[in-house]
Amino acid sequence: NAGVTQTPKFQVLKTGQSMTLQCAQDMNHEYMSWYRQDPGMGLRLIHYSVGAGITDQGEVPNGYNVSRSTTEDFPLRLLSAAPSQTSVYFCASSPTTEGALGYTFGSGTRLTVV
Amino acid sequence: AQSVSQHNHHVILSEAASLELGCNYSYGGTVNLFWYVQYPGQHLQLLLKYFSGDPLVKGIKGFEAEFIKSKFSFNLRKPSVQWSDTAEYFCAVKGGGYNKLIFGAGTRLAVHP
Repeated sequence: NAGVTQTPKFQVLKTGQSMTLQCAQDMNHEYMSWYRQDPGMGLRLIHYSVGAGITDQGEVPNGYNVSRSTTEDFPLRLLSAAPSQTSVYFCASSPTTEGALGYTFGSGTRLTVV
Repeated sequence: AQSVSQHNHHVILSEAASLELGCNYSYGGTVNLFWYVQYPGQHLQLLLKYFSGDPLVKGIKGFEAEFIKSKFSFNLRKPSVQWSDTAEYFCAVKGGGYNKLIFGAGTRLAVHP
């Protein structure tokens, strides 16, 4: 049981490049979400999904796209990377939208945009 | 707008001291409340959660939290901290009819031997 798997663990991009951060869970969780963590600002919600085919915006969605074609995968796309997107990105999932059983976090992707 | 406030950004304690970290939220209605811990270099782990029932919730590693609805608060406590409790602590709230788990800015705790 791998839990929540994020790839890559580290990435350096040049300004304007695009890339996709991968998130996969093997627990058949209904709810998945992406956060970015910046010093002094905690975790801020980027996008979330309550099931396959359903996504919605969080607190800081600009510059990011998501899709949820399967229950297992929830990739985060940066269309044109900017230095302001330098951050640590965490994917989280929960069995239900309600979150009664808590949320499981991946180990993070550290992204640097130069 | 939904918001979660953690009052202390940095806390420094000696071992065996008592800990209380504040958390307030701005939602109305039913809320689900969480405390997460992030040890250096690791991802977030759930300490405890409150959904309903007894407002005093006990979690792992001797932590507890009290939900006070009238004060919109969910403060984290531990009677006697250890060096191994050095970490960053995050309060998170889901509620107000939204399917979003919103985090506070976090509190960095340093425990000195």
